[in-house]
Amino acid sequence: AQSVTQPDIHITVSEGASLELRCNYSYGATPYLFWYVQSPGQGLQLLLKYFSGDTLVQGIKGFEAEFKRSQSSFNLRKPSVHWSDAAEYFCAVGAKNDMRFGAGTRLTVKP
Amino acid sequence: SQTIHQWPATLVQPVGSPLSLECTVEGTSNPNLYWYRQAAGRGLQLLFYSVGIGQISSEVPQNLSASRPQDRQFILSSKKLLLSDSGFYLCAWRRNSASEQFFGPGTRLTVL
Repeated sequence: AQSVTQPDIHITVSEGASLELRCNYSYGATPYLFWYVQSPGQGLQLLLKYFSGDTLVQGIKGFEAEFKRSQSSFNLRKPSVHWSDAAEYFCAVGAKNDMRFGAGTRLTVKP
Repeated sequence: SQTIHQWPATLVQPVGSPLSLECTVEGTSNPNLYWYRQAAGRGLQLLFYSVGIGQISSEVPQNLSASRPQDRQFILSSKKLLLSDSGFYLCAWRRNSASEQFFGPGTRLTVL
């Protein structure tokens, strides 16, 4: 069965600094990969997705992610973080009828 | 466009009481539907998913159950709530196995 690991439970960055959130997955074939963001008390919003093709995908709010098959990774990046990016971020892998989510990374942005 | 609704938004229930949370999707047909639970500071735990009316797959054995009486309606139930059932419950839908999930606003359940 597929699984997702987000090694960093909590990350703090300064506003304006770059960001990289790590995600590793386990799946027997090429998976469908997603990044979601969740603000406190809210549902999850899709940031970006990878199905096939170009391994660097662009998403909303200035985020991008790169699929690296050799490393089974799908890391999320943003060149310059804004205070409004503070939230919980979830990586997910989808296959067949279900989706599996990582435990999430909480992002704190320092002024 | 498609929208997903969940109600109630918040719920406080005593231990041992029944539960019914409802999720409905508009603007699509025959979606895959999902129930997740998110405990405080934790990730998402998949509870149930459904690929069609009356078809329910359970991921975790517990005192919860799910039903799909109509194509775009997904209900999460319990006959007797436990303290450990407290959490944030999220419903989601998906067009098919090759698409992203869209989430509802969630229900905050507190069992006292």
